[in-house]
Amino acid sequence: QQQVKQSPQSLIVQKGGIPIINCAYENTAFDYFPWYQQFPGKGPALLIAIRPDVSEKKEGRFTISFNKSAKQFSLHIMDSQPGDSATYFCAASMVIHAGKSTFGDGTTLTVKP
Amino acid sequence: DTEVTQTPKHLVMGMTNKKSLKCEQHMGHRAMYWYKQKAKKPPELMFVYSYEKLSINESVPSRFSPECPNSSLLNLHLHALQPEDSALYLCASSFQGTSGTGELFFGEGSRLTVL
Repeated sequence: QQQVKQSPQSLIVQKGGIPIINCAYENTAFDYFPWYQQFPGKGPALLIAIRPDVSEKKEGRFTISFNKSAKQFSLHIMDSQPGDSATYFCAASMVIHAGKSTFGDGTTLTVKP
Repeated sequence: DTEVTQTPKHLVMGMTNKKSLKCEQHMGHRAMYWYKQKAKKPPELMFVYSYEKLSINESVPSRFSPECPNSSLLNLHLHALQPEDSALYLCASSFQGTSGTGELFFGEGSRLTVL
């Protein structure tokens, strides 16, 4: 019930490509779905997040697509850049219990110049 | 730059040492957390403090002892650790309950090596 399954584990794209990372959750009580970006030696930082009342959210080159019926959400990075190379974690939680976030296992993205 | 500050950034300790990790935030958050992160793994929740009171202990061994002296500070006292405790220890904070957005604000972490 608490799992969040993330795929792929790693991803390599060329500059300008559109990497897509997918996550699936089980607990229908979750109402907050963030993506965190983590660079080596740094803590995770919120990249973009979505609530289940919308199907898509876009911030700059980053887009979350959300499918409530399928209990899936995904991150798309448009026009990817080498500086986007990082580990991306999806997560799911209830807004009132932010610290009890359930994280996916992470995706290591490499964007080649 | 992160608004959650952790010190020290790096710590090496022997199994008989006592050390402490410190975390500070000035965003007015009333929920603070300690996470442990192993290489290439997601953060694992260790402790949750809500309004300076320990509300969740995720079955963490007693060699880890958290403390929340006030609403801005969070400490993690370490004693008699094992080499397998070597990891990145992350502090995070958030707004509490319905006043929150759900976002966790992480510090940059303290890289701990236990010899």
